[in-house]
Amino acid sequence: DAKTTQPPSMDCAEGRAANLPCNHSTISGNEYVYWYRQIHSQGPQYIIHGLKNNETNEMASLIITEDRKSSTLILPHATLRDTAVYYCIVRLPHGSGNTGKLIFGQGTTLQVKP
Amino acid sequence: NAGVTQTPKFRILKIGQSMTLQCAQDMNHNYMYWYRQDPGMGLKLIYYSVGAGITDKGEVPNGYNVSRSTTEDFPLRLELAAPSQTSVYFCASTRGGSYEQYFGPGTRLTVT
Repeated sequence: DAKTTQPPSMDCAEGRAANLPCNHSTISGNEYVYWYRQIHSQGPQYIIHGLKNNETNEMASLIITEDRKSSTLILPHATLRDTAVYYCIVRLPHGSGNTGKLIFGQGTTLQVKP
Repeated sequence: NAGVTQTPKFRILKIGQSMTLQCAQDMNHNYMYWYRQDPGMGLKLIYYSVGAGITDKGEVPNGYNVSRSTTEDFPLRLELAAPSQTSVYFCASTRGGSYEQYFGPGTRLTVT
């Protein structure tokens, strides 16, 4: 599984968009990019994932560059409840011997400020 | 659906004691995982299972054992607890493919 690099911390003003970057320059062609977050030592919560195209759901948007070597998670209108550690993870889908295990790095601690 | 449930929520063990951390899911997921998280660190995989009767080691399996007799349950056994096993333990499950993993609320274990 490819390694990811994220900034250790970021701040964002409440109500503004939070843009969290992630580098995954060694990503292989069939590896997906996943984003999870962990709020105050709770279990990690899935946010979004994608392979090549940009994705959007009710929580966030995921922008993946054309060469797939980096991505950005966008929280469009950050609230205080979005303060958390955000993890960017790349992994293969299950099948062909792949177990789907997640490899967590240190993540980015996002602090949303009033 | 209750999702992924874990018991107990908290536990204090003395060095050398043993215990079993329970994990159950009601989503009929084949894949289940145990992770541990030390303070200020990301999660590390202990053991995983791709279906009933099939388990395998992750990154940090030493000092732990697992079993998977049913699809729903994936207990983690600590034998001869050591202070290095003080951590928060998370269980997760997924249906496979590129689907996301669902995590339980965690068990906070202290070994003194």
